[in-house]
Amino acid sequence: DVKVTQSSRYLVKRTGEKVFLECVQDMDHENMFWYRQDPGLGLRLIYFSYDVKMKEKGDIPEGYSVSREKKERFSLILESASTNQTSMYLCASSNWDRAGVNTEAFFGQGTRLTVV
Amino acid sequence: AQSVAQPEDQVNVAEGNPLTVKCTYSVSGNPYLFWYVQYPNRGLQFLLKYITGDNLVKGSYGFEAEFNKSQTSFHLKKPSALVSDSALYFCAVRALNTGFQKLVFGTGTRLLVSP
Repeated sequence: DVKVTQSSRYLVKRTGEKVFLECVQDMDHENMFWYRQDPGLGLRLIYFSYDVKMKEKGDIPEGYSVSREKKERFSLILESASTNQTSMYLCASSNWDRAGVNTEAFFGQGTRLTVV
Repeated sequence: AQSVAQPEDQVNVAEGNPLTVKCTYSVSGNPYLFWYVQYPNRGLQFLLKYITGDNLVKGSYGFEAEFNKSQTSFHLKKPSALVSDSALYFCAVRALNTGFQKLVFGTGTRLLVSP
């Protein structure tokens, strides 16, 4: 059974703190993603990675960075948390199919982050 | 650029009745289309996908979706709704002809099935 695990379900952090959100997948997937989910806006892509130590900006990377030192782990970093980063954060992973297109994404359970 | 529209914020249906959740898309070239479901305080679960072939795609929990190229739509359907189907549903699209294919999501439709 496929599994994407996010280290925390709920987090409360103070403005200005450095925040780490961790994600681990056990499917040996090449691709990993971080999205944030906000009401009325759907899911927006923050960063993604298609290989170890590789990262690409998504649609809303400002205020975030990522790290992928091992294939199974993809970390999202909020360098200096702000209240407008209060949101639900979702990690996902996927693989390549024979055509070189990534397959459907599998999601973690989400981390609800509140910045006060 | 790719985009997905889910025109209804909420769909209400009585248990036992058929349900439809609408999705239209815009993409250059041939699309990959997906439906995901999200239960409260949970991540997204994959329901079904269209890549090529038969326009009617069957997925998990009795759901199906119909791909209509001329109308650029991919509506989610179920013949008989259950109260347990109440959740948030997301449509997503990816183009096949771009570099690293990003998945673009709609804003979601909340389905409420009443007993």
